[in-house]
Amino acid sequence: QQQVKQSPQSLIVQKGGISIINCAYENTAFDYFPWYQQFPGKGPALLIAIRPDVSEKKEGRFTISFNKSAKQFSLHIMDSQPGDSATYFCAVAEVSGSARQLTFGSGTQLTVLP
Amino acid sequence: DTGVSQDPRHKITKRGQNVTFRCDPISEHNRLYWYRQTLGQGPEFLTYFQNEAQLEKSRLLSDRFSAERPKGSFSTLEIQRTEQGDSAMYLCASSFVGEKLFFGSGTQLSVL
Repeated sequence: QQQVKQSPQSLIVQKGGISIINCAYENTAFDYFPWYQQFPGKGPALLIAIRPDVSEKKEGRFTISFNKSAKQFSLHIMDSQPGDSATYFCAVAEVSGSARQLTFGSGTQLTVLP
Repeated sequence: DTGVSQDPRHKITKRGQNVTFRCDPISEHNRLYWYRQTLGQGPEFLTYFQNEAQLEKSRLLSDRFSAERPKGSFSTLEIQRTEQGDSAMYLCASSFVGEKLFFGSGTQLSVL
């Protein structure tokens, strides 16, 4: 059973546009929701993360929106740049419980056109 | 902070051979994780150490896989009798107490 579903699989955005990637989860015990960025040949790097006690978190051009009742969260990249072209993964974890390990979505390949 | 280091970066082996990968976590990070990532997929959890104790193992970790973390420092992941289905990127990550994981660049395994 897939614990987190990510969409879209790929996304093409013009420079300066807004990139939006969505994730949905089932287990209400999850209490940590990070987004990771991965460039080819590199490991994933933490971009931004949110806990369920807030509905939005912003760091620079990156914003997480969290909807607890819908069990969904999304990543918004404002003013997208060609350097943002990478694969983005959402993840979930139950940091206060036994399932501390991250479970990742299947990834979104973002291409920002110059 | 020199980051998580993994060695080798690439490994090509023949089916049936044994392989061993090494991970050096960020110093003073007490938690160490192994993940596996296949092309076009997100990383999948394999196992987790807190200091030298292996606390969690995924059902993905068959009995051909073994991981160690002697003295709570570096870790090794060994795959015995490799199969073509073992071809993947093996990622190591470390953290200190919190949930923020720092990943290495991985070891790309190709089983011929």
